[in-house]
Amino acid sequence: DVKVTQSSRYLVKRTGEKVFLECVQDMDHENMFWYRQDPGLGLRLIYFSYDVKMKEKGDIPEGYSVSREKKERFSLILESASTNQTSMYLCASSEANPETQYFGPGTRLLVL
Amino acid sequence: QKEVEQNSGPLSVPEGAIASLNCTYSDRGSQSFFWYRQYSGKSPELIMFIYSNGDKEDGRFTAQLNKASQYVSLLIRDSQPSDSATYLCAVKGSNYQLIWGAGTKLIIKP
Repeated sequence: DVKVTQSSRYLVKRTGEKVFLECVQDMDHENMFWYRQDPGLGLRLIYFSYDVKMKEKGDIPEGYSVSREKKERFSLILESASTNQTSMYLCASSEANPETQYFGPGTRLLVL
Repeated sequence: QKEVEQNSGPLSVPEGAIASLNCTYSDRGSQSFFWYRQYSGKSPELIMFIYSNGDKEDGRFTAQLNKASQYVSLLIRDSQPSDSATYLCAVKGSNYQLIWGAGTKLIIKP
């Protein structure tokens, strides 16, 4: 079974803090994705990566950055957390064909 | 802006009946279509995908695709309380990225 893990289920941070969210997959997938999910808005793509050290902006990259130093690990970084970044963050991975995505359990982030 | 639209619901269906979930999309170049299920507090999981016009069946689930009308639907036969969840439609557009609908909340009433 594909397993995607995320470093935290719940996080509480203060405005202005630098926040790191980590995602690890164990299936040697090429592709990894970071989404945020908000009520009524569905899944919105923040960043994705098709290879190690490669990254591409998604639909809402502002205020975020990513790092992919190893194939299995994809990190999302909030450079200076703001209250409007309070959300559920979901990591996903897929094989070379980026259609069937496997999701991690999610991190619910609250920025105060 | 490429879009995928779903009725947010909730859609309430009696146990044992057929639940019908619909999704429309704006990008005529879309290639692949997916239905994911998301239980409350959990992450999405793939139910099925469809590439060609027509019906595709998998157990109690049937996906229907009509590219001319730009809609895709999911039918759930013999609905069970365990089918109560939010169903997300995702479309692979002409730019090869998945575009997600906001989901339809389905409630199966015993």
